[in-house]
Amino acid sequence: EAGVAQSPRYKIIEKRQSVAFWCNPISGHATLYWYQQILGQGPKLLIQFQNNGVVDDSQLPKDRFSAERLKGVDSTLKIQPAKLEDSAVYLCASSRDRQETQYFGPGTRLLVL
Amino acid sequence: AQRVTQPEKLLSVFKGAPVELKCNYSYSGSPELFWYVQYSRQRLQLLLRHISRESIKGFTADLNKGETSFHLKKPFAQEEDSAMYYCALRSGANSKLTFGKGITLSVRP
Repeated sequence: EAGVAQSPRYKIIEKRQSVAFWCNPISGHATLYWYQQILGQGPKLLIQFQNNGVVDDSQLPKDRFSAERLKGVDSTLKIQPAKLEDSAVYLCASSRDRQETQYFGPGTRLLVL
Repeated sequence: AQRVTQPEKLLSVFKGAPVELKCNYSYSGSPELFWYVQYSRQRLQLLLRHISRESIKGFTADLNKGETSFHLKKPFAQEEDSAMYYCALRSGANSKLTFGKGITLSVRP
């Protein structure tokens, strides 16, 4: 089966600009996750969707980050405005359900200058 | 709150040497522990979970609730084991994954 797809793979922006990332999960996977991985750290969950509903966004900086999964399939994560500390790899993952194995995408590497 | 600690950043061994990657956790409930691996230029992927109690690629990990540890072990390291390894804990009704900072394993020929 095709894996989790993400785009773009790399993005360089200046601080205060906005940026959006896209994720296409594995077909049939109900649960979708966005993680932020800062250099030298493990992935940190930003937001978790079950179908098109949010089940955990406790670590999402809501003043600047937003995410949606309107039709319960693809998802977008947006940052507006970006700060220097947002430089990281943004990983998308999906699973059949919450208790199932998570499969990760290749990630989007963001550099904020 | 749950926490996963991987105390070392780097472990370098020679091929054929034993490997132990340390992981300690803090969680008040009944934990589910995992090891994830990321090989060079590849995606993060599940290596093994404590529930299945299986050996994957020669690696094993035993959950020690008394010591709150879930160390990853392999008796004889291979060069292809060189990668980044992350310990993770799953908790809560939403099955949230909390990752440690990871450790780089380097196996020299």
